[in-house]
Amino acid sequence: DVKVTQSSRYLVKRTGEKVFLECVQDMDHENMFWYRQDPGLGLRLIYFSYDVKMKEKGDIPEGYSVSREKKERFSLILESASTNQTSMYLCATAIFGDEQYFGPGTRLTVT
Amino acid sequence: SQKIEQNSEALNIQEGKTATLTCNYTNYSPAYLQWYRQDPGRGPVFLLLIRENEKEKRKERLKVTFDTTLKQSLFHITASQPADSATYLCALDGPNSGYALNFGKGTSLLVTP
Repeated sequence: DVKVTQSSRYLVKRTGEKVFLECVQDMDHENMFWYRQDPGLGLRLIYFSYDVKMKEKGDIPEGYSVSREKKERFSLILESASTNQTSMYLCATAIFGDEQYFGPGTRLTVT
Repeated sequence: SQKIEQNSEALNIQEGKTATLTCNYTNYSPAYLQWYRQDPGRGPVFLLLIRENEKEKRKERLKVTFDTTLKQSLFHITASQPADSATYLCALDGPNSGYALNFGKGTSLLVTP
């Protein structure tokens, strides 16, 4: 079974802090994705990566950056957290063109 | 831009009946369409994938249809059970985002005994 783990289930940070969310997968998938999910807005793609050190912007990349130094690890970075980044963050992995496997999510609160 | 619409209102049905959820899309012709289940506080779980050249796909009590002319997919759960209560998301491959998916906002299904 594919396992996708995220570093925290719940996280509380202060405005202006730098925040790191980490995602690790154990299935050697090329593609990894970061989404955020908000009530009424659904899942929105922040960034994705199709190979080590490769990254592509999704629909809402502003205020975020990513890092993929190793194939199994994809990090989402909030450079300076703001209250409008309070959300559920979901990491996913996939082989090309196939189903995505999601992690359990990190519920981030920025105060 | 690509738009995906799912019924925003919750669907309430009685146990044993067939639940039918709708996914409509515009401004794009996807190569495939996927359905996911999401329980509260958890990540989505993949259910079925159907490709543009397939009209129907089944998996146990689940059935998905894909009508590229109507730009619509229907997701059916037969002999529904209370354990099927969840939010169901449809997703399409994005036109400009490689293998990333564009998700609908989901439809909440409640199956009552």
